[in-house]
Amino acid sequence: NAGVTQTPKFQVLKTGQSMTLQCAQDMNHNSMYWYRQDPGMGLRLIYYSASEGTTDKGEVPNGYNVSRLNKREFSLRLESAAPSQTSVYFCASSSTGGAGENEKLFFGSGTQLSVL
Amino acid sequence: GEDVEQSLFLSVREGDSSVINCTYTDSSSTYLYWYKQEPGAGLQLLTYIFSNMDMKQDQRLTVLLNKKDKHLSLRIADTQTGDSAIYFCAESRRKGSDQGGKLIFGQGTELSVKP
Repeated sequence: NAGVTQTPKFQVLKTGQSMTLQCAQDMNHNSMYWYRQDPGMGLRLIYYSASEGTTDKGEVPNGYNVSRLNKREFSLRLESAAPSQTSVYFCASSSTGGAGENEKLFFGSGTQLSVL
Repeated sequence: GEDVEQSLFLSVREGDSSVINCTYTDSSSTYLYWYKQEPGAGLQLLTYIFSNMDMKQDQRLTVLLNKKDKHLSLRIADTQTGDSAIYFCAESRRKGSDQGGKLIFGQGTELSVKP
């Protein structure tokens, strides 16, 4: 059971380059999320998708776009990377409907992105 | 995570108890969570508490919730070197028609356990 799979694990970009971070989950979860983790700031929500076909902005959406390709996959795109986007990116998923359990997030292992 | 506050570092000796503290701001939060992040890995849910509870115990872990002061703590008894990790508290947020489980995380507390 793979859970949440993110690719790539590491990436180095030059300022202005674009790239897409891929995420897939095999748990039949409805909700998927993209977070970024920066030292001393915890995790901040970039975008989320409460269900297939919907996406919404989180706390820090500027400079990012997302696509919920199907129920399994949720990608994050940086159109024109900036040094401020150097961070560790985590994808997560959760099922909805359970009392308390719907907010149990399952995380991928992260993508370490450096923008030079 | 600016609405959920944690101290950044905690150092304890092996065998001692660790207490990690967290304050949150949204009184409507229904659930509060503790996640653990080991080096180079994603976060894993450690435990959670429903907002109408004061305490929850799960083996070596004890969660205390003071809803009046919006204070959450995680106590780890008999701390082991394998407990070294970053611990995040998180509160659930439900606003508007959002049906997804939106969590707001604290900054994380790095627990260092010395032998």
